[in-house]
Amino acid sequence: EAQVTQNPRYLITVTGKKLTVTCSQNMNHEYMSWYRQDPGLGLRQIYYSMNVEVTDKGDVPEGYKVSRKEKRNFPLILESPSPNQTSLYFCASSLSVSQASSYNSPLHFGNGTRLTVT
Amino acid sequence: RKEVEQDPGPFNVPEGATVAFNCTYSNSASQSFFWYRQDCRKEPKLLMSVYSSGNEDGRFTAQLNRASQYISLLIRDSKLSDSATYLCVVRSYNTDKLIFGTGTRLQVFP
Repeated sequence: EAQVTQNPRYLITVTGKKLTVTCSQNMNHEYMSWYRQDPGLGLRQIYYSMNVEVTDKGDVPEGYKVSRKEKRNFPLILESPSPNQTSLYFCASSLSVSQASSYNSPLHFGNGTRLTVT
Repeated sequence: RKEVEQDPGPFNVPEGATVAFNCTYSNSASQSFFWYRQDCRKEPKLLMSVYSSGNEDGRFTAQLNRASQYISLLIRDSKLSDSATYLCVVRSYNTDKLIFGTGTRLQVFP
């Protein structure tokens, strides 16, 4: 089954304790992206990646790192989490412009990770 | 100005009503357009892509107006199960980024 898998679904941690949220897709998508969603602010892009070893900042990259060592995985790393990073996080993937014959390639989302930093 | 703007609502409509949402975008290089549906705190799910000539999927109709830079979603014969937040998504030609609107909340009541 084609899917985007995020883990964990729920995470409670303390300020400053490094954590990684994993994201994996099995659709050979080049484009992957991380979003956070907060009440009243909608989905905001943290980082995205157009292909292996190619990553770019989104709108709210501060406090986050990503890596794209292989096509299927795109982990989100919080080196020193703070309470303002408490949020609902989504990973998503799609065909990139270079993969798709048109631009009409939608995003496929993971189930989300609800992170609480105390 | 935000790149993609939506009226947050909520739109409260009775069952059977027709309701329409608009979404405006600022980047004229935008190439692809989508409507997603999101239920409370769950992942967004693709509702439909939006094509230049407009397209229909059952009770849902999507339209694109490039000259005025907006897309629309029309829902006919609303059902209780249509209650959700509807997200407008725009993909930019020059960056390949997908930009989300903040969503329009729809509440259908009996």
